[in-house]
Amino acid sequence: QVQLVESGGGVVQPGRSLRLSCAASRFSFSRYGIHWVRQAPGKGLEWVAVISHDGRKIYYADSVKGRFTISRDNPKNTLSLQMNSLRAEDTAVYYCAKDINTYCGGDCPADVWGKGTTVTVSS
Amino acid sequence: SHVLTQPPSVSVAPGQTARITCGGDNIESKNIHWYQQKPGQAPVLVIYDITKRPSGIPERFSGSNSGNTAILTISRVEAGDEADYYCQVWDSSSDHWVFGGGTKLTVL
Repeated sequence: QVQLVESGGGVVQPGRSLRLSCAASRFSFSRYGIHWVRQAPGKGLEWVAVISHDGRKIYYADSVKGRFTISRDNPKNTLSLQMNSLRAEDTAVYYCAKDINTYCGGDCPADVWGKGTTVTVSS
Repeated sequence: SHVLTQPPSVSVAPGQTARITCGGDNIESKNIHWYQQKPGQAPVLVIYDITKRPSGIPERFSGSNSGNTAILTISRVEAGDEADYYCQVWDSSSDHWVFGGGTKLTVL
């Protein structure tokens, strides 16, 4: 079964950094774009970033641009999100999600989601 | 960037039809996708490209687009359909995914 598993969440102080990972299995990872989506406690879904299958196209939400960096390692079937200068408003469950079609440029919906990893930014 | 507007809540009795709307400028020109999210769970894609259903999604779920409003229709609503539903588009002007604010479906 196609699977995405996030890890790396935790409690971190404002201004510090955290790196999330997303491990993919049972599909051709290198053919699919992957998104990060977050959800603050009691709030709706907020898109964070997307990286194309080959890493050449990367887009960020305005709220994280310049602070977060998305990257991927296709041979290792892993996706990362480096989060710097964290703020209280970054507190959320972070999901990675796979494009439904191969070779999308960010404009496809996601058909497989991980269960999420929780990030809490607090002093 | 693009804004999608959903009603905060919709209530329906079991066996009836629920319609959840998603409004936005020029939405008729966009591919609309819908996600279902139950408490404590990850979102699940239930409709994509306005009308398509992923495998495993019941035929009771359907989508349409009319004017400036996209609609997710759930026929013969069941207790298990109670969840939050989000519409989503790709905003090509900003290269962003955009989500609606979400609609909580309550089955009475």
